Amino acid sequence: QVQLVQSGAEVKKPGSSVKVSCKASGGTFSSYAISWVRQAPGQGLEWMGGIIPVFGSINYAQKFQGRVTITADKSTGTAYMELSRLRSEDTAVYYCARDPHEGLSWFDPWGQGTLVTVSS
Amino acid sequence: DIQMTQSPSTLSASVGDRVTITCRASQSISSWLAWYQQKPGKAPKLLIYKASSLESGVPSRFSGSGSGTEFTLTISSLQPDDFATYYCQQYNSYPVTFGGGAKVEIK
Repeated sequence: QVQLVQSGAEVKKPGSSVKVSCKASGGTFSSYAISWVRQAPGQGLEWMGGIIPVFGSINYAQKFQGRVTITADKSTGTAYMELSRLRSEDTAVYYCARDPHEGLSWFDPWGQGTLVTVSS
Repeated sequence: DIQMTQSPSTLSASVGDRVTITCRASQSISSWLAWYQQKPGKAPKLLIYKASSLESGVPSRFSGSGSGTEFTLTISSLQPDDFATYYCQQYNSYPVTFGGGAKVEIK
Protein backbone atom coordinates (compact mmCIF):
# COMPACT_ATOMS: atom_id res chain seq x y z
CA GLN A 1 0.00 0.00 0.00
CA VAL A 2 1.72 3.15 -1.19
CA GLN A 3 1.77 6.11 1.17
CA LEU A 4 2.98 9.57 0.25
CA VAL A 5 4.97 11.39 2.93
CA GLN A 6 5.61 15.09 2.46
CA SER A 7 8.21 17.42 3.92
CA GLY A 8 7.43 19.72 6.81
CA ALA A 9 5.89 23.17 7.07
CA GLU A 10 7.75 26.16 5.66
CA VAL A 11 7.71 29.90 6.32
CA LYS A 12 9.00 31.99 3.44
CA LYS A 13 9.52 35.64 2.59
CA PRO A 14 7.75 37.21 -0.39
CA GLY A 15 9.86 36.88 -3.53
CA SER A 16 11.65 33.74 -2.34
CA SER A 17 11.16 30.11 -3.42
CA VAL A 18 9.99 26.96 -1.68
CA LYS A 19 10.65 23.33 -2.55
CA VAL A 20 8.33 20.65 -1.15
CA SER A 21 9.12 16.95 -1.33
CA CYS A 22 6.84 13.92 -1.54
CA LYS A 23 8.26 10.45 -0.91
CA ALA A 24 6.47 7.23 -1.76
CA SER A 25 6.81 4.72 1.05
CA GLY A 26 5.73 1.10 0.87
CA GLY A 27 6.08 1.04 -2.88
CA THR A 28 7.10 3.13 -5.82
CA PHE A 29 5.36 5.71 -7.94
CA SER A 30 7.50 5.34 -11.00
CA SER A 31 4.68 3.59 -12.88
CA TYR A 32 2.19 6.29 -12.05
CA ALA A 33 1.80 10.04 -12.19
CA ILE A 34 2.16 12.44 -9.26
CA SER A 35 0.23 15.68 -9.15
CA TRP A 36 0.46 18.68 -6.89
CA VAL A 37 -2.73 20.31 -5.60
CA ARG A 38 -2.92 23.30 -3.30
CA GLN A 39 -5.57 24.61 -0.94
CA ALA A 40 -5.53 28.17 0.35
CA PRO A 41 -6.99 28.73 3.85
CA GLY A 42 -10.73 28.14 3.76
CA GLN A 43 -10.70 27.66 0.00
CA GLY A 44 -11.09 24.82 -2.49
CA LEU A 45 -8.63 22.58 -4.30
CA GLU A 46 -6.44 23.83 -7.13
CA TRP A 47 -4.37 21.58 -9.41
CA MET A 48 -0.91 22.95 -10.12
CA GLY A 49 0.63 20.30 -12.33
CA GLY A 50 1.79 16.73 -12.53
CA ILE A 51 4.65 14.49 -13.61
CA ILE A 52 4.83 10.96 -14.98
CA PRO A 53 8.23 9.87 -13.63
CA VAL A 54 8.67 6.84 -15.89
CA PHE A 55 8.33 9.05 -18.97
CA GLY A 56 9.59 12.29 -17.46
CA SER A 57 6.60 14.09 -18.96
CA ILE A 58 5.18 17.07 -17.10
CA ASN A 59 2.01 19.14 -17.35
CA TYR A 60 1.52 22.48 -15.61
CA ALA A 61 -1.59 24.54 -15.05
CA GLN A 62 -1.24 27.72 -17.09
CA LYS A 63 -1.76 29.82 -13.96
CA PHE A 64 1.52 28.55 -12.52
CA GLN A 65 3.53 28.22 -15.75
CA GLY A 66 6.90 29.87 -15.32
CA ARG A 67 6.73 29.83 -11.52
CA VAL A 68 6.41 26.14 -10.72
CA THR A 69 8.85 23.31 -11.39
CA ILE A 70 7.87 19.70 -10.76
CA THR A 71 10.55 17.02 -10.77
CA ALA A 72 10.94 13.42 -9.67
CA ASP A 73 13.84 11.21 -8.60
CA LYS A 74 12.96 7.65 -9.57
CA SER A 75 15.90 6.23 -7.63
CA THR A 76 14.55 7.52 -4.31
CA GLY A 77 10.85 7.49 -5.16
CA THR A 78 10.57 11.20 -4.38
CA ALA A 79 8.74 13.96 -6.23
CA TYR A 80 9.38 17.66 -5.76
CA MET A 81 7.43 20.85 -6.34
CA GLU A 82 9.28 24.14 -6.37
CA LEU A 83 7.34 27.42 -6.46
CA SER A 84 9.25 30.64 -7.05
CA ARG A 85 8.56 34.37 -6.69
CA LEU A 86 6.32 33.66 -3.72
CA ARG A 87 3.62 36.12 -2.73
CA SER A 88 1.20 36.20 0.17
CA GLU A 89 -1.53 34.61 -1.97
CA ASP A 90 0.63 31.46 -2.21
CA THR A 91 0.02 30.75 1.48
CA ALA A 92 -1.67 27.36 1.32
CA VAL A 93 -1.45 23.68 2.12
CA TYR A 94 0.29 21.90 -0.74
CA TYR A 95 -0.60 18.27 -1.37
CA CYS A 96 0.98 15.66 -3.58
CA ALA A 97 -1.32 12.93 -4.85
CA ARG A 98 -0.84 9.81 -6.92
CA ASP A 99 -2.64 9.39 -10.18
CA PRO A 100 -3.02 5.63 -10.63
CA HIS A 101 -2.76 5.92 -14.39
CA GLU A 102 -0.34 7.70 -16.66
CA GLY A 103 -1.86 11.12 -16.25
CA LEU A 104 -5.47 12.40 -16.37
CA SER A 105 -7.05 10.31 -13.66
CA TRP A 106 -8.37 10.49 -10.13
CA PHE A 107 -6.04 10.96 -7.18
CA ASP A 108 -5.38 8.31 -4.56
CA PRO A 109 -3.63 8.35 -2.18
CA TRP A 110 -2.77 11.87 -1.11
CA GLY A 111 0.14 13.08 0.99
CA GLN A 112 -0.56 14.58 4.37
CA GLY A 113 -0.06 18.12 3.09
CA THR A 114 2.62 20.76 3.64
CA LEU A 115 1.67 24.19 4.93
CA VAL A 116 3.60 26.96 3.22
CA THR A 117 3.23 30.39 4.81
CA VAL A 118 4.43 33.43 2.88
CA SER A 119 4.91 36.39 5.16
CA SER A 120 7.28 39.29 5.54
CA ASP B 1 -10.43 25.18 -18.91
CA ILE B 2 -13.45 23.11 -17.85
CA GLN B 3 -15.36 24.80 -15.03
CA MET B 4 -16.92 22.58 -12.36
CA THR B 5 -19.85 24.02 -10.42
CA GLN B 6 -21.14 22.31 -7.27
CA SER B 7 -24.45 22.91 -5.54
CA PRO B 8 -25.40 23.55 -2.89
CA SER B 9 -22.25 25.07 -1.42
CA THR B 10 -23.54 24.34 2.08
CA LEU B 11 -26.13 21.82 3.15
CA SER B 12 -27.64 21.30 6.61
CA ALA B 13 -28.85 17.78 7.28
CA SER B 14 -29.58 15.34 10.08
CA VAL B 15 -28.28 11.86 10.72
CA GLY B 16 -30.31 9.43 8.64
CA ASP B 17 -31.14 11.96 5.91
CA ARG B 18 -30.66 11.24 2.23
CA VAL B 19 -28.26 13.84 0.84
CA THR B 20 -27.61 14.73 -2.80
CA ILE B 21 -24.85 17.00 -4.10
CA THR B 22 -24.75 18.12 -7.73
CA CYS B 23 -21.70 18.84 -9.88
CA ARG B 24 -22.02 20.44 -13.32
CA ALA B 25 -19.28 20.66 -15.94
CA SER B 26 -19.02 23.56 -18.40
CA GLN B 27 -18.63 21.02 -21.23
CA SER B 28 -19.03 17.28 -21.60
CA ILE B 29 -16.54 15.21 -19.62
CA SER B 30 -18.11 11.80 -20.41
CA SER B 31 -17.76 9.87 -17.13
CA TRP B 32 -14.35 11.22 -16.18
CA LEU B 33 -15.37 12.47 -12.76
CA ALA B 34 -14.24 11.72 -9.21
CA TRP B 35 -15.68 12.64 -5.81
CA TYR B 36 -13.69 13.29 -2.63
CA GLN B 37 -14.51 13.80 1.03
CA GLN B 38 -12.39 16.19 3.07
CA LYS B 39 -12.45 16.77 6.82
CA PRO B 40 -10.82 19.79 8.51
CA GLY B 41 -7.03 19.55 8.61
CA LYS B 42 -6.97 16.37 6.53
CA ALA B 43 -6.18 15.48 2.95
CA PRO B 44 -9.06 14.67 0.60
CA LYS B 45 -10.16 11.06 0.48
CA LEU B 46 -11.30 9.40 -2.75
CA LEU B 47 -14.90 8.16 -2.66
CA ILE B 48 -15.98 7.64 -6.27
CA TYR B 49 -14.16 7.50 -9.61
CA LYS B 50 -15.38 7.24 -13.19
CA ALA B 51 -18.59 8.93 -12.03
CA SER B 52 -20.12 5.86 -10.37
CA SER B 53 -17.37 3.41 -9.33
CA LEU B 54 -17.10 3.09 -5.55
CA GLU B 55 -13.54 3.13 -4.23
CA SER B 56 -12.61 0.04 -2.24
CA GLY B 57 -13.40 0.42 1.46
CA VAL B 58 -15.89 3.27 1.00
CA PRO B 59 -19.31 2.54 2.57
CA SER B 60 -22.04 1.55 0.16
CA ARG B 61 -24.26 4.43 1.36
CA PHE B 62 -22.18 6.59 -1.00
CA SER B 63 -23.08 6.45 -4.67
CA GLY B 64 -22.37 8.50 -7.77
CA SER B 65 -24.25 8.92 -11.02
CA GLY B 66 -24.34 11.00 -14.18
CA SER B 67 -22.45 11.52 -17.40
CA GLY B 68 -21.76 14.33 -19.82
CA THR B 69 -22.19 17.54 -17.87
CA GLU B 70 -24.34 16.66 -14.85
CA PHE B 71 -23.34 14.44 -11.95
CA THR B 72 -24.61 13.66 -8.47
CA LEU B 73 -23.15 12.27 -5.27
CA THR B 74 -25.74 10.69 -3.00
CA ILE B 75 -25.40 9.62 0.61
CA SER B 76 -28.35 7.32 1.23
CA SER B 77 -28.44 7.65 5.03
CA LEU B 78 -26.19 10.32 6.51
CA GLN B 79 -23.96 9.11 9.34
CA PRO B 80 -22.11 11.22 11.95
CA ASP B 81 -18.79 10.52 10.21
CA ASP B 82 -20.12 11.99 6.94
CA PHE B 83 -20.20 15.62 8.06
CA ALA B 84 -17.44 17.02 5.84
CA THR B 85 -16.81 18.91 2.62
CA TYR B 86 -17.20 17.12 -0.69
CA TYR B 87 -15.42 17.99 -3.94
CA CYS B 88 -15.89 16.81 -7.50
CA GLN B 89 -12.97 16.66 -9.94
CA GLN B 90 -12.92 16.30 -13.72
CA TYR B 91 -10.09 14.46 -15.42
CA ASN B 92 -11.35 14.61 -19.00
CA SER B 93 -8.69 17.11 -20.03
CA TYR B 94 -5.87 19.26 -18.68
CA PRO B 95 -5.92 21.22 -16.55
CA VAL B 96 -7.61 18.95 -14.04
CA THR B 97 -10.22 21.07 -12.24
CA PHE B 98 -12.23 20.76 -9.05
CA GLY B 99 -15.62 22.01 -8.00
CA GLY B 100 -15.80 24.65 -5.29
CA GLY B 101 -16.91 22.17 -2.64
CA ALA B 102 -20.12 21.33 -0.79
CA LYS B 103 -20.05 21.45 2.99
CA VAL B 104 -22.44 19.08 4.77
CA GLU B 105 -23.26 20.48 8.21
CA ILE B 106 -25.23 19.15 11.13
CA LYS B 107 -28.78 20.49 11.22
